Amino acid sequence: EIVLTQSPGTLSLSPGERATLSCRASQSVSSTYLAWYQQKPGQAPRLLLYGASSRATGVPDRFSGRGSGTDFTLTISRLEPEDFAVYYCQQYGSSPYNFGQGTTLEIK
Amino acid sequence: EVQLVESGGDLVQPGGSLRLSCVGSEFTFSDYSMNWVRQAPGKGPEWVSYIGSSSSTIYYADSVKGRFTISRDNAKNSLYLQMNNLRDEDTAVYYCARATGSGRFAFGIWGQGTMVTVSS
Repeated sequence: EIVLTQSPGTLSLSPGERATLSCRASQSVSSTYLAWYQQKPGQAPRLLLYGASSRATGVPDRFSGRGSGTDFTLTISRLEPEDFAVYYCQQYGSSPYNFGQGTTLEIK
Repeated sequence: EVQLVESGGDLVQPGGSLRLSCVGSEFTFSDYSMNWVRQAPGKGPEWVSYIGSSSSTIYYADSVKGRFTISRDNAKNSLYLQMNNLRDEDTAVYYCARATGSGRFAFGIWGQGTMVTVSS
């Protein structure tokens, strides 16, 4: 079973700043099968990135992802007010398709 | 608009059973793998189960294996989750989620969720 550990748990930043979120896997994950989701209160998660770096339909280009093996990163280049939310990584290459525990991005 | 709508959530006693349903619309249901994901209050998402487009491949999380059964009826554009021997820790919002393709794909479309509460 692949365990995903996200850091930091909470990130406090201001609009316009750059956010860097980390996802570390307990064993190697093919970048093909690594996704990032955004979740706002009372809503279902929303797919942001798949294949570690490909943006889902409608996702702004300020969201980018990179990584391979066990270390993956989600970067938001310039934070907009609507970006403050909880972010989860997930691997879907081998069952169980685990999620990380999440990073809360809050307004400083 | 592509949409998933879940139903069937309820308050049930420990040891009880419940069947969740999810209906898809505005897409060819049989072309996509489907999943159930749950989220306990204040917690992150937990993947529960996967079913391939033709039902030939099925996976479960260890926490539900032997108690939950996933199935689908492509003719009815529907996904199901039969939940037996429910426990307190099964309390959560249950989402159905459509993969972005057939096979191992990210979860591109989510329903609004249905609440399952297990309590005496």
